[in-house]
Amino acid sequence: GAVVSQHPSWVICKSGTSVKIECRSLDFQATTMFWYRQFPKQSLMLMATSNEGSKATYEQGVEKDKFLINHASLTLSTLTVTSAHPEDSSFYICSARDNRGYEQYFGPGTRLTVT
Amino acid sequence: GESVGLHLPTLSVQEGDNSIINCAYSNSASDYFIWYKQESGKGPQFIIDIRSNMDKRQGQRVTVLLNKTVKHLSLQIAATQPGDSAVYFCAERGAAGNKLTFGGGTRVLVKP
Repeated sequence: GAVVSQHPSWVICKSGTSVKIECRSLDFQATTMFWYRQFPKQSLMLMATSNEGSKATYEQGVEKDKFLINHASLTLSTLTVTSAHPEDSSFYICSARDNRGYEQYFGPGTRLTVT
Repeated sequence: GESVGLHLPTLSVQEGDNSIINCAYSNSASDYFIWYKQESGKGPQFIIDIRSNMDKRQGQRVTVLLNKTVKHLSLQIAATQPGDSAVYFCAERGAAGNKLTFGGGTRVLVKP
């Protein structure tokens, strides 16, 4: 149980295009999901907190118009990287907090490469 | 602001020996701490957690120690195995909300 999936697992896109990443909680409901970004050999940095049915809360320095988050259901949150640039290339990881308790489960990550 | 940091970026350990990974945190209001293991190209994997009302918790081959006096957290891995090679992160959650703050990570390399 407590599985979080991400799709796609990796994506290559051209500079200027947009990319959507999905995060799904497969066997539990999650009112709250989180999006992280991780650069090589660095730690996870929280980008935003996604809340079902309401606007996401972005961390300081994260552009909300560039990283669009939609949390339309209790099992799905999406992150869209708009007008992607090479510096957006990173490993994007989501996590979902089980509504039944404290636990937060991480997805396998999505490797984004912008050429 | 909140921060969680690690003392050692890389730890080399002989197979079969015990490993100790340390972590310092700065938010004295944090009430929940977690250790994660991350293998290359994968998401973090939960190892063990501890609440602030405890000072020690044991799992299978792992022990987490919490010293709130000096705001220090450690992860002990007994009889380290090659499969334990990974990057280990500590994370803390403040009492106020949901957010996890991650430390910088320690790479553990297990030598055969």
